Amino acid sequence: AQSVTQLGSHVSVSEGALVLLRCNYSSSVPPYLFWYVQYPNQGLQLLLKYTTGATLVKGINGFEAEFKKSETSFHLTKPSAHMSDAAEYFCAVSQETSGSRLTFGEGTQLTVNP
Amino acid sequence: ETGVTQTPRHLVMGMTNKKSLKCEQHLGHNAMYWYKQSAKKPLELMFVYSLEERVENNSVPSRFSPECPNSSHLFLHLHTLQPEDSALYLCASSQVGGHGYTFGSGTRLTVV
Repeated sequence: AQSVTQLGSHVSVSEGALVLLRCNYSSSVPPYLFWYVQYPNQGLQLLLKYTTGATLVKGINGFEAEFKKSETSFHLTKPSAHMSDAAEYFCAVSQETSGSRLTFGEGTQLTVNP
Repeated sequence: ETGVTQTPRHLVMGMTNKKSLKCEQHLGHNAMYWYKQSAKKPLELMFVYSLEERVENNSVPSRFSPECPNSSHLFLHLHTLQPEDSALYLCASSQVGGHGYTFGSGTRLTVV
């Protein structure tokens, strides 16, 4: 079984500040981990993913995430927030035994204040 | 054309109408999904097709009827909907055994 918990349904930061969106997962086997972003009235767009190899993963738009097995976490960070980062962010997990089936978290709405 | 394309982008329908949502993927994937996204609610997985067979139906009311004629196309047929069915309907595709989904831009459905 696999599950995802995103801590904080809403996060608000100032422009230029650090963005930190938290994701913890539960998986009985080594997980594959993903972050997606959704802008209003759009589909979900892949930001980055971890499958194997390096635990620090870089994605689009300056975002990165680190897979920490000991903490069962995959937090998303960006050093300096931009107004255009305001969106909803979804963490997701899959595992090889479930094929490609993703389990999504409930999402975190990021607001960026000027 | 690449990626996952959903049509129409917006749809307004009365409760007695019949309409269909269309999803087309040009990625060579072999699994397709319908999700419902309502305001302030988590993503709801509705249907899963793998290798053109429906493998999952998450207790979706019969007024929603999916169809997958081939691995590139997925439809969601709608009839006698209720106002609470108003939502963003998202289609996604993936490769079985692959990593991650590709989503379409969604259809914003309003039932009046």
